[in-house]
Amino acid sequence: EAGVTQSPTHLIKTRGQQATLRCSPISGHTSVYWYQQALGLGLQFLLWYDEGEERNRGNFPPRFSGRQFPNYSSELNVNALELEDSALYLCASSLHTPEYNSPLHFGNGTRLTVT
Amino acid sequence: EDQVTQSPEALRLQEGESSSLNCSYTVSGLRGLFWYRQDPGKGPEFLFTLYSAGEEKEKERLKATLTKKESFLHITAPKPEDSATYLCAVSGAGSYQLTFGKGTKLSVIP
Repeated sequence: EAGVTQSPTHLIKTRGQQATLRCSPISGHTSVYWYQQALGLGLQFLLWYDEGEERNRGNFPPRFSGRQFPNYSSELNVNALELEDSALYLCASSLHTPEYNSPLHFGNGTRLTVT
Repeated sequence: EDQVTQSPEALRLQEGESSSLNCSYTVSGLRGLFWYRQDPGKGPEFLFTLYSAGEEKEKERLKATLTKKESFLHITAPKPEDSATYLCAVSGAGSYQLTFGKGTKLSVIP
């Protein structure tokens, strides 16, 4: 069974540009989560999508947005990039919504560097 | 607001030297506590879910335990391949995402 796949693995952008990160969940998983892992800060929750809808978002500005496609893959967009957006962006999928306590299964992330 | 604190931040062990990692949490209505392992340049890998105080789970040299305020990850006779960052996360009744601690970076020296 293929795991969660993310692309690209590395992305270098200039301040003010836009970045698009992509994620394919494990087959059969309908929930997709995005987390930011910046140096020294741990994993910070960004967004949760389920069945094509945004269900919850973390404490991040609106320039962080995304969507989930009918095949459950997902895209994270970061507009007006700032230097502090440099981080590892992790996508995770789960079989069920949070009340069922399904563990999250993570991809290997996209390393975004903003110069 | 759910909170997770892990200690120590870093731990160096000699191969075979057993120890424990701590995860203290505050959460409104614990639904589950999760342990993950993260290798450099990789995403976190799921290890265990614990649901209620007194519960224990084991996998190879790792054993996770849970009380009402904290969880421990016990590592017995570790090997160099156990070197990684271990992350603890909680799911609370009032939230829709996992809240993670900052992790404990474990180094096992041959």
